[in-house]
Amino acid sequence: QVQLQESGPGLVKPSETLSLTCTVSGGSISRGYWSWIRQSPGKGLECIGYIHYSGSTNYNPSLKSRVIMSVDTSKNQFSLKLSSVTAADTAVYYCATEELTGTYWYFDLWGRGTLVTVSS
Amino acid sequence: QSALTQPRSVSGSPGQSVTISCTGTSSDVGGYHYVSWYQQHPGKVPKLMIYDVSKRPSGVPDRFSGSKSGNTASLTISGLQAEDEADYYCCSYVGTYTFVVFGGGTKLTVL
Repeated sequence: QVQLQESGPGLVKPSETLSLTCTVSGGSISRGYWSWIRQSPGKGLECIGYIHYSGSTNYNPSLKSRVIMSVDTSKNQFSLKLSSVTAADTAVYYCATEELTGTYWYFDLWGRGTLVTVSS
Repeated sequence: QSALTQPRSVSGSPGQSVTISCTGTSSDVGGYHYVSWYQQHPGKVPKLMIYDVSKRPSGVPDRFSGSKSGNTASLTISGLQAEDEADYYCCSYVGTYTFVVFGGGTKLTVL
């Protein structure tokens, strides 16, 4: 079955750019929507945005000025870049998708998550 | 877009029923039939339990049910079991540009 796996640095310096990649295995990325969600330590969930396999994107308005998502169908990967990070961006970052209904507002398949700490 | 409002904690004894509320506005919960609920055990990945307000994905026990009235959605867990102890998050579609908003989460304790 389809599995997702996040990868990227676990430590990013303030003001720098956080870069993460999600690798899709067991299936093709060339369908549906692919999302990034984060969870700050001890806090709730926040959807960062999503990318369609065609490359179209939609970002959370609160993060929009700092977010870029991209997809590489040849590698079955999609990526997240979050610029000008601060300590408030410290969180577990999940990549996720939805297979039930083909929409971008449910998430029934998640990666294991990767903790990114912003600190000098 | 403000987070949806959930109680910080609820509790119940094994076998009992508990209901977790999720209050939003007419721009989110009240405006769409796209409410979902996620279960998250400590250190684990969130799991989709309910979608489209009241539908259960395959494999989710029918002890879990969802409903909505006006701007408030609810998750009811009947026949509580120890394994149900977890954090629960509601989520609502809010339109094309903001697309989803989560609740702050509710910690369920099985006494």
